[in-house]
Amino acid sequence: DTAVSQTPKYLVTQMGNDKSIKCEQNLGHDTMYWYKQDSKKFLKIMFSYNNKELIINETVPNRFSPKSPDKAHLNLHINSLELGDSAVYFCASSQAGFSNQPQHFGDGTRLSIL
Amino acid sequence: QKEVEQNSGPLSVPEGAIASLNCTYSDRGSQSFFWYRQYSGKSPELIMSIYSNGDKEDGRFTAQLNKASQYVSLLIRDSQPSDSATYLCAVIFSGGYNKLIFGAGTRLAVHP
Repeated sequence: DTAVSQTPKYLVTQMGNDKSIKCEQNLGHDTMYWYKQDSKKFLKIMFSYNNKELIINETVPNRFSPKSPDKAHLNLHINSLELGDSAVYFCASSQAGFSNQPQHFGDGTRLSIL
Repeated sequence: QKEVEQNSGPLSVPEGAIASLNCTYSDRGSQSFFWYRQYSGKSPELIMSIYSNGDKEDGRFTAQLNKASQYVSLLIRDSQPSDSATYLCAVIFSGGYNKLIFGAGTRLAVHP
């Protein structure tokens, strides 16, 4: 059973389009995260939700909008895609957001903007 | 500025040797520290977590933490070619919210 699953694994699209990435975890965790890993492999947090409530919102363009319908799901919608959005986006989850517990990552979504 | 610093490498060690990976962090109040392994094209995989000063051993891996020096390290004994990967140091900085700050990673190459 996959603990943290993301879809799609690959996303190739043109500049200006709108796209969504979905994430689901079956670990029973309360907190979910979105990370971006750029071409230099630097992994940086974008958003975090604890039990459907936004608790971390880093300096990210407002073209990026996360949505958490329930604590097992966290989706990422991106409007008006730009070349600089090309990266690998990782979803992660952990137990309650204040517990300092480790985070477990999905397999990533490789987004390429043409 | 909250930072986690690692030597980018590559760190090259022969098979069977001990690989030593180092990490420093800027927030003296940090309490939680993690090492992740990331193979090329794959997701980060948790190897070790450490919360108290001293050593923590798990199989061939030993994490070492020195909060006074703001330093955390990972030792890999009897290194194998399959250990070749990028090792990411990650720290939860004080201030709550379980926000992980990652270092840029050290690339380890274990050669036969």
